[in-house]
Amino acid sequence: EDQVTQSPEALRLQEGESSSLNCSYTVSGLRGLFWYRQDPGKGPEFLFTLYSAGEEKEKERLKATLTKKESFLHITAPKPEDSATYLCAVPNQAGTALIFGKGTTLSVSS
Amino acid sequence: KAGVTQTPRYLIKTRGQQVTLSCSPISGHRSVSWYQQTPGQGLQFLFEYFSETQRNKGNFPGRFSGRQFSNSRSEMNVSTLELGDSALYLCASSLVRGTGANVLTFGAGSRLTVL
Repeated sequence: EDQVTQSPEALRLQEGESSSLNCSYTVSGLRGLFWYRQDPGKGPEFLFTLYSAGEEKEKERLKATLTKKESFLHITAPKPEDSATYLCAVPNQAGTALIFGKGTTLSVSS
Repeated sequence: KAGVTQTPRYLIKTRGQQVTLSCSPISGHRSVSWYQQTPGQGLQFLFEYFSETQRNKGNFPGRFSGRQFSNSRSEMNVSTLELGDSALYLCASSLVRGTGANVLTFGAGSRLTVL
């Protein structure tokens, strides 16, 4: 069964304290892995798409990496405005829908 | 550039009623997908519409239905509401068909509470 698991469920960091979020997936023939950010009261906002193992993408303090079984979202020197829920998603085997993980809720305090 | 617009943003219904939610995609986007988000299950795919035709459907009962108009605007309907239908309903649009392989732009959602 196609599945996406994110860990940890919640993460509290001090401003400037770097860390990583994990997304592991079980789907045959990966067609891409998507990271989204969701702020309270808003819909998810696209961050990155990764397609092949070894690929990395960066945006400000965020860097996403991909292996054959999982993806990491590295947050370097986070700021309070990075507080949000980060969602990982992969297309199902048929490519007809995105399967989302339940997300990691990140809280960064100053 | 206007984003994806969903109305209403909040609504409260009672069990057995029905509800219709509306979604206006980004101008030029022809694909509209609907997702249900709950604390327990996260985001789950409901269906995708492209060129006024339902292209894919998730694992939800027939009480959940939708349609798309010629201007790409979409509506979803839930009939005979149950308590478990309380959720945030998210609409997403993309330029091309295929909610599973393309970048989606989400609206802010419609928060449905069923009492």
